[in-house]
Amino acid sequence: AQSVTQPDIHITVSEGASLELRCNYSYGATPYLFWYVQSPGQGLQLLLKYFSGDTLVQGIKGFEAEFKRSQSSFNLRKPSVHWSDAAEYFCAVGAAGGFKTIFGAGTRLFVKA
Amino acid sequence: EAQVTQNPRYLITVTGKKLTVTCSQNMNHEYMSWYRQDPGLGLRQIYYSMNVEVTDKGDVPEGYKVSRKEKRNFPLILESPSPNQTSLYFCASSLTGEKTQYFGPGTRLLVL
Repeated sequence: AQSVTQPDIHITVSEGASLELRCNYSYGATPYLFWYVQSPGQGLQLLLKYFSGDTLVQGIKGFEAEFKRSQSSFNLRKPSVHWSDAAEYFCAVGAAGGFKTIFGAGTRLFVKA
Repeated sequence: EAQVTQNPRYLITVTGKKLTVTCSQNMNHEYMSWYRQDPGLGLRQIYYSMNVEVTDKGDVPEGYKVSRKEKRNFPLILESPSPNQTSLYFCASSLTGEKTQYFGPGTRLLVL
């Protein structure tokens, strides 16, 4: 069955500290992978995506993610978190030749001053 | 400005009273989709549309209908809403090949 798992429901980091949000997927076909961010009361905004090629992808707001096929993972990282990064983060997977998208349950990030 | 709009943004209704949530995009995207967001469950896809007059079920289509008569519009219809359809609903659109989805601001629905 196709699924996306974000093991951490919420994470708290101090401002300036590094961040890693985990994402594992189960998908039979070649996956397209995404990270979206949802600020309070807002819709979702794309942070970055992986379709093919270099497995380390750069996104907006200083985020990056690494695709590891052997681990079925697509973890999101940021070297130094800012208070404005506090939001909910969603990992998503879609099929290269398909139209369905599956989202993880989300990880809520809290940033301590 | 390129955007996806949804109306209404907030809606309170009663069980069984038909309602429609509209979604419109101005980016000439072929693909449109509806999701519901519930705490702890993330976003679940209700229906999607690959182009005009082409729609298909997502993971949680029960109790919902959609139509795609024009490229820019993709309304979500609840023929007989029930309390378990209380949720936050998002519409999204994308170019078919691009697959990056652009989301609307959300519609918060409460069914009493």
